[in-house]
Amino acid sequence: GAGVSQSPSNKVTEKGKDVELRCDPISGHTALYWYRQSLGQGLEFLIYFQGNSAPDKSGLPSDRFSAERTGGSVSTLTIQRTQQEDSAVYLCASSLVGTSGSEQYFGPGTRLTVT
Amino acid sequence: DAKTTQPPSMDCAEGRAANLPCNHSTISGNEYVYWYRQIHSQGPQYIIHGLKNNETNEMASLIITEDRKSSTLILPHATLRDTAVYYCIVREPTGANSKLTFGKGITLSVRP
Repeated sequence: GAGVSQSPSNKVTEKGKDVELRCDPISGHTALYWYRQSLGQGLEFLIYFQGNSAPDKSGLPSDRFSAERTGGSVSTLTIQRTQQEDSAVYLCASSLVGTSGSEQYFGPGTRLTVT
Repeated sequence: DAKTTQPPSMDCAEGRAANLPCNHSTISGNEYVYWYRQIHSQGPQYIIHGLKNNETNEMASLIITEDRKSSTLILPHATLRDTAVYYCIVREPTGANSKLTFGKGITLSVRP
């Protein structure tokens, strides 16, 4: 079956511009996570959506970062006024909830380069 | 902060078993042990998880000590495609603590 998909796969933007990154989770998965991976910081959690509950935004690095999940499916991560330190691979993952495993399945990521 | 510690790297010969250790001495009763791996330029891939019993699937086996303070991931017949960074993670399966907290992982190099 289809896995988690993300778009675009690569994005180059100028410093100060806004960008939107999209994640399509596996159908039926109620939990959705965003992570990012940069050379200096490794893999770090950004935000977590679970059903209709308020999202866990504890990992967002600044108020320039925001995310939405519409209709419990597709999610968009928005970065406003991008900075060079925002350059990273942004990864999305989804999982079922309510099982003992709840393993997360990752997409291929979006590589963001801020020039 | 990651609640696990792993050696930074190890290697093994193709076709041999790879045994990857992990320490998680502060694991709590409702936390599971998960293993993920990340092959270069790809997203992390789920391998296996367990609570206290040993587990086996088509990819690997997971051995958890009786006190749950450490575990070992076993790849029974390593191939060159198993070269990757392997992450050992402890987490609760649901709720606010279900996010994955990645440490530095262990880089496994499988040599021909």
